[in-house]
Amino acid sequence: GQNIDQPTEMTATEGAIVQINCTYQTSGFNGLFWYQQHAGEAPTFLSYNVLDGLEEKGRFSSFLSRSKGYSYLLLKELQMKDSASYLCAVPTMEYGNKLVFGAGTILRVKS
Amino acid sequence: NAGVTQTPKFQVLKTGQSMTLQCAQDMNHEYMSWYRQDPGMGLRLIHYSVGAGITDQGEVPNGYNVSRSTTEDFPLRLLSAAPSQTSVYFCASSSIDLDTYGYTFGSGTRLTVV
Repeated sequence: GQNIDQPTEMTATEGAIVQINCTYQTSGFNGLFWYQQHAGEAPTFLSYNVLDGLEEKGRFSSFLSRSKGYSYLLLKELQMKDSASYLCAVPTMEYGNKLVFGAGTILRVKS
Repeated sequence: NAGVTQTPKFQVLKTGQSMTLQCAQDMNHEYMSWYRQDPGMGLRLIHYSVGAGITDQGEVPNGYNVSRSTTEDFPLRLLSAAPSQTSVYFCASSSIDLDTYGYTFGSGTRLTVV
């Protein structure tokens, strides 16, 4: 089986840095994904980690520790448009390596 | 390219009615999946397909059927709608190289069962 945990909500200030954590338990690890979802819209791909360490993509970075079953998404220089839900997901062998998602973290950016 | 196209965008059904949610992709992706999204529960996998003629059940398959007669299309059928099926439904597709771009999602169908 699999279990993915994320904080439900977070609030941060425009221009600041925020870290969104994700812990997971899965049989047969095959990478971890982060998606961004604005209210009323479809999720969009942000990042993929399969090896330990930090992957940087502009203002967004994602970190993975396979031994700890832990990942985080780091958002720098927050902008109001970053207000969205952030979803952590792992492929799961139980369902043909299809993605199983956490419940998502709602990030509110305030001015 | 249109990507993943879902129709309809909104639908209201009465309890017991049946309907089909359409999903089509034009990226020649092998994998397609259906998810439902409910408040506080994230996206849950309903059914998935790894290629034409092959389908399998996900986490929450009861009350839904799928078929994959072509690579492009993956319709989701509600056999007898129930209020518990009120949700937002997303179709997603991906290539075998999942790691590069992950899933591409359709824009979603918001279904209300009364």
